[in-house]
Amino acid sequence: GQQLNQSPQSMFIQEGEDVSMNCTSSSIFNTWLWYKQDPGEGPVLLIALYKAGELTSNGRLTAQFGITRKDSFLNISASIPSDVGIYFCAGSATITQGGSEKLVFGKGTKLTVNP
Amino acid sequence: DAMVIQNPRYQVTQFGKPVTLSCSQTLNHNVMYWYQQKSSQAPKLLFHYYDKDFNNEADTPDNFQSRRPNTSFCFLDIRSPGLGDAAMYLCATSGQGTSPLHFGNGTRLTVT
Repeated sequence: GQQLNQSPQSMFIQEGEDVSMNCTSSSIFNTWLWYKQDPGEGPVLLIALYKAGELTSNGRLTAQFGITRKDSFLNISASIPSDVGIYFCAGSATITQGGSEKLVFGKGTKLTVNP
Repeated sequence: DAMVIQNPRYQVTQFGKPVTLSCSQTLNHNVMYWYQQKSSQAPKLLFHYYDKDFNNEADTPDNFQSRRPNTSFCFLDIRSPGLGDAAMYLCATSGQGTSPLHFGNGTRLTVT
């Protein structure tokens, strides 16, 4: 089946630093999504990417859909303590009945920000 | 305001005692999903409904069942919970087309 390789598995950074994480796959995906999950909460959508080469920003977050459609990265600039959490990439190439998404998740990147 | 609501947030059940988790949505989305997430792991899709059509994942145990009585509500039934079923259970919804999934806050299930 389709798999996503997400790296790094964990990151420890100082407040103010920039962060970069990425996902790669041997399969082509039509959609890339980035979610953040806080402890005890559900994943919250950060950025959605729908076109190869697309670069999208959401505040201090920037994500890109790789041109080969097999990878995506997420950058966080000027990190702050509330950026702490687990970041998941998710890709979809399987279209269910009606065209809805069936997602494959990466294993997550755990981010720790030291004040 | 929460758009995908899961109740309860925390559920404790005994080994082998049936348990039902609930999910409701105000988004009027066609598709509802149930994911299982174990500690430090990615969410794993159990099954989903497109309207009333049920789609089971091939590796979802028979112990897990689901019901969707109407557009707004979806239930996860675990018929005989084992210790290995302790996890966070996440409900999500999506509309037609390439809309992303919207997750609820999950129900954390403990099996004693």
